[in-house]
Amino acid sequence: LAKTTQPISMDSYEGQEVNITCSHNNIATNDYITWYQQFPSQGPRFIIQGYKTKVTNEVASLFIPADRKSSTLSLPRVSLSDTAVYYCLVGDPAVSGTYKYIFGTGTRLKVLA
Amino acid sequence: NAGVTQTPKFQVLKTGQSMTLQCAQDMNHEYMSWYRQDPGMGLRLIHYSVGAGITDQGEVPNGYNVSRSTTEDFPLRLLSAAPSQTSVYFCASSSSINRDRDYGYTFGSGTRLTVV
Repeated sequence: LAKTTQPISMDSYEGQEVNITCSHNNIATNDYITWYQQFPSQGPRFIIQGYKTKVTNEVASLFIPADRKSSTLSLPRVSLSDTAVYYCLVGDPAVSGTYKYIFGTGTRLKVLA
Repeated sequence: NAGVTQTPKFQVLKTGQSMTLQCAQDMNHEYMSWYRQDPGMGLRLIHYSVGAGITDQGEVPNGYNVSRSTTEDFPLRLLSAAPSQTSVYFCASSSSINRDRDYGYTFGSGTRLTVV
């Protein structure tokens, strides 16, 4: 079972860098790691995805160590609008041979002024 | 605009009634899923599909049926609504079921269902 574990909540101040780590000890060899952001009353929104090492896009960076048992989402210089719940997601192999995607509890980030 | 469209946005049902939540995507995505999210909680997988004609159960499939007759549509049917099914339902799709080319989910805006 590719269960993910994240901190339940984090607080940060505006302008700071925020790092959220997710552990996924049983990740499949060829599986990607994906992070999502969810605001209240909205569906999750894709942030970033990676397989190994480091990935960067216009909103975040994703760090994945060589053993791939964890990943860290890095949000540079957060603002109040980054207050949201952040989820990491990996595939869970199903008996049928397919993958299903089960969300963990997510990390509730609160950015303070 | 391209994306995942869910209808209706809001629905109130009486206990025992049945209904179908609609989900359609126009991105030619193979992989589609249904999740429910209870207030203040995370998302739980109900059913998913890896392509037309192929569906499988998620974490909480009881009380729900799905079918996938076309690539575009993935309706979720509540067989006999119960108050415990009061939740927000999200449909999501992804471009590939190939584990080496997964580009992540696109989510719909959700259906808020209340069962009284």
